[in-house]
Amino acid sequence: GEDVEQSLFLSVREGDSSVINCTYTDSSSTYLYWYKQEPGAGLQLLTYIFSNMDMKQDQRLTVLLNKKDKHLSLRIADTQTGDSAIYFCAESRGGNTGKLIFGQGTTLQVKP
Amino acid sequence: GAGVSQSPSNKVTEKGKDVELRCDPISGHTALYWYRQSLGQGLEFLIYFQGNSAPDKSGLPSDRFSAERTGGSVSTLTIQRTQQEDSAVYLCASSLRSGDGETQYFGPGTRLLVL
Repeated sequence: GEDVEQSLFLSVREGDSSVINCTYTDSSSTYLYWYKQEPGAGLQLLTYIFSNMDMKQDQRLTVLLNKKDKHLSLRIADTQTGDSAIYFCAESRGGNTGKLIFGQGTTLQVKP
Repeated sequence: GAGVSQSPSNKVTEKGKDVELRCDPISGHTALYWYRQSLGQGLEFLIYFQGNSAPDKSGLPSDRFSAERTGGSVSTLTIQRTQQEDSAVYLCASSLRSGDGETQYFGPGTRLLVL
């Protein structure tokens, strides 16, 4: 995951907004994804954004993409204790394979 | 329908032994991926299968690693002569088709510990 970077840890209080940031280096990235991993569970796709979009909103989730700065963020509104998990951003670099390049993951801790 | 399943869920082995990890993708999914999640390396792509095409093995870390996909469905990842650095969670994912924008559905993973 050296081409995709995330901060490792974020702690917020329940009800606050959480913002998880990600930077990537490959300008040919076509799709950018956010996955959630809960303890002992597999990866769950939360949302994704196509590279020609700036923003995508899905209920409590807002994804912002700054293609110029190669910066992606995930905002979770009204964060709940059930949102505590590891969040991975990933990029897909085009072509037919769809293989994903992941960041190291950000552990989100939500305090009651 | 059923999601991606993997077996075993946990595997403990001795250094030097061979191990086989199994993945059952979602029925009808033509693309299958293996990834490895380890403390030092994060989540890494290992290998990808699409239909009957030759697999993309570009992520396999050494020739001790191999994988096959029989009948376009079940896949087995084999690690020969395991080393301690092979300890990781091995994740399998499948998607309806390969390519960007196709959602990959992940299994729960196999946690491998090499003593």
